[in-house]
Amino acid sequence: AQKVTQAQTEISVVEKEDVTLDCVYETRDTTYYLFWYKQPPSGELVFLIRRNSFDEQNEISGRYSWNFQKSTSSFNFTITASQVVDSAVYFCALSEAGGNKLVFGAGTILRVKS
Amino acid sequence: SQTIHQWPATLVQPVGSPLSLECTVEGTSNPNLYWYRQAAGRGLQLLFYSVGIGQISSEVPQNLSASRPQDRQFILSSKKLLLSDSGFYLCAWSPNREADTQYFGPGTRLTVL
Repeated sequence: AQKVTQAQTEISVVEKEDVTLDCVYETRDTTYYLFWYKQPPSGELVFLIRRNSFDEQNEISGRYSWNFQKSTSSFNFTITASQVVDSAVYFCALSEAGGNKLVFGAGTILRVKS
Repeated sequence: SQTIHQWPATLVQPVGSPLSLECTVEGTSNPNLYWYRQAAGRGLQLLFYSVGIGQISSEVPQNLSASRPQDRQFILSSKKLLLSDSGFYLCAWSPNREADTQYFGPGTRLTVL
């Protein structure tokens, strides 16, 4: 069975601090896909990244970066120089190859204070 | 570009009343469509998904049903609402390819009193 664990329930940082959100997954598939979504206070889930299991190269997009490590089944998300607008709930999710469904983690609430 | 709409944005309904939430997608054809519920707390629960007109898969047995009368229209219904149906309902679409990205609508916040 597939499972996604986001052990950090809530994180509070001060603006300009770096913050890493952890995501650990479980799957028996050799081919799978990992995702991160952001849910701001408005409620809509915003897609951030999709990564397949064969691509372990880290990715950077502006202040956002992702560290995928198959050896530890982790797909962590780092925000550099956090801003108040980064305050949101962040979800990690997993999808098996050939599937149509996402398995979500419980989410991590990020609070960035000015 | 693709756009996903949900309405209403908010809804307050008495226990025992019917429910109809609508979701439509523009700018794509033959999408996969999904209904999720986010109850108090943060978890997202997949309720239904559809890979085509009239094709509905139910993930959780419950008081709700879904229908897909048109290619880009997905409806969530209930004949009699329960207090436990309160929550934030999100519709999502994805291209009709395996494990592709799901894109979410703005959501409907339902309160059952």
